[in-house]
Amino acid sequence: GAGVSQSPRYKVAKRGQDVALRCDPISGHVSLFWYQQALGQGPEFLTYFQNEAQLDKSGLPSDRFFAERPEGSVSTLKIQRTQQEDSAVYLCASSLGAGGIYNEQFFGPGTRLTVL
Amino acid sequence: GQNIDQPTEMTATEGAIVQINCTYQTSGFNGLFWYQQHAGEAPTFLSYNVLDGLEEKGRFSSFLSRSKGYSYLLLKELQMKDSASYLCAVTHNAGNMLTFGGGTRLMVKP
Repeated sequence: GAGVSQSPRYKVAKRGQDVALRCDPISGHVSLFWYQQALGQGPEFLTYFQNEAQLDKSGLPSDRFFAERPEGSVSTLKIQRTQQEDSAVYLCASSLGAGGIYNEQFFGPGTRLTVL
Repeated sequence: GQNIDQPTEMTATEGAIVQINCTYQTSGFNGLFWYQQHAGEAPTFLSYNVLDGLEEKGRFSSFLSRSKGYSYLLLKELQMKDSASYLCAVTHNAGNMLTFGGGTRLMVKP
């Protein structure tokens, strides 16, 4: 399809496990964002890539969270030593532009992570 | 920091009009987005306001007052499929990321 895709859609992890979440943005989109959405809340910004460069990681909640986009396309969000408070939906979004005022973000369906 | 407030829940009747308000306090405001999110699905874009005034798009309209830090989303001729969460979000300074409010869960009843 032509939209943003994410895998897996659902992930159950035992506390302490490492997980890797994948995002395939829309082809040609320069900007890529990761957001975390707790149940019943709005999404919260985690990190932002412009092509392969991670320009903003101010939203990452701890050093257990790591994101990469090595070739400026697919991105992976890795969470080490998962904790129960990491349980949330992780949304990926991409946009065509890299700056300016207006850049509509297109969201993927998200990965629902449950940490037991 | 950024502060965005919107009501948690609203209920309206099929065929009616509903207005969902959003107030924000942010430095370096650029623009305001409204997204719709059905349960378990991705947020989808509804509207974008950067200048004061009303933007109309079919049954949905969005209003912005920059001086008051206020926006609303107006939904007309409500349909059952409009039951969803409506997310208000702003961009600010030179950043492209969205800062979201908590979302308003709208329930449309017959």
